[in-house]
Amino acid sequence: DAGVIQSPRHEVTEMGQEVTLRCKPISGHNSLFWYRQTMMRGLELLIYFNNNVPIDDSGMPEDRFSAKMPNASFSTLKIQPSEPRDSAVYFCASRGSFHKDRMNQPQHFGDGTRLSIL
Amino acid sequence: AQSVTQLDSQVPVFEEAPVELRCNYSSSVSVYLFWYVQYPNQGLQLLLKYLSGSTLVKGINGFEAEFNKSQTSFHLRKPSVHISDTAEYFCAVRNFGNEKLTFGTGTRLTIIP
Repeated sequence: DAGVIQSPRHEVTEMGQEVTLRCKPISGHNSLFWYRQTMMRGLELLIYFNNNVPIDDSGMPEDRFSAKMPNASFSTLKIQPSEPRDSAVYFCASRGSFHKDRMNQPQHFGDGTRLSIL
Repeated sequence: AQSVTQLDSQVPVFEEAPVELRCNYSSSVSVYLFWYVQYPNQGLQLLLKYLSGSTLVKGINGFEAEFNKSQTSFHLRKPSVHISDTAEYFCAVRNFGNEKLTFGTGTRLTIIP
């Protein structure tokens, strides 16, 4: 079975440029999460969606960050303009709700996008 | 709000020795508890989870964890480690009825040949 697919795996760009990270959740999963991982702050939840609707974006650090989920099989996290302090590994995770005990289903993670802003 | 504390940032262990990775949590309501493993340049993979019932939970790769409500702990154990267990391990908690998963800061397990 295909897991959560993220692209690109690595991104290196200059500060000020727009960066778009992509995520394809596991088919049938309808909860999607974006995380950021850094040495200083560990794993932070940025935003999550249920049924393509953003539920909680309180973890989004600044207005430069935005996320969309136009359909059940695709989500993007955009940074515009990017800054060196945005350098991190960004993970996408999804969880299914087809089971009656939806809330105890685990999240499945992609392999992440390693972002370096020069 | 829930929180997770992993006191040990790094744990070196000799191959075939036992290991325990500690995790303590804080929450005002009932919780679900998880352990994830992260291998280099990969995402997080679920090792095991505690939802309810038996306090001893068995996971993949020979790992197990015990939920102790009175001590608010969920320590991870393995009786005999292998070189392939070298990775970072994350404890996580989620409150009942809440989608948010809160992670600890991780413990880097290094296996010494």
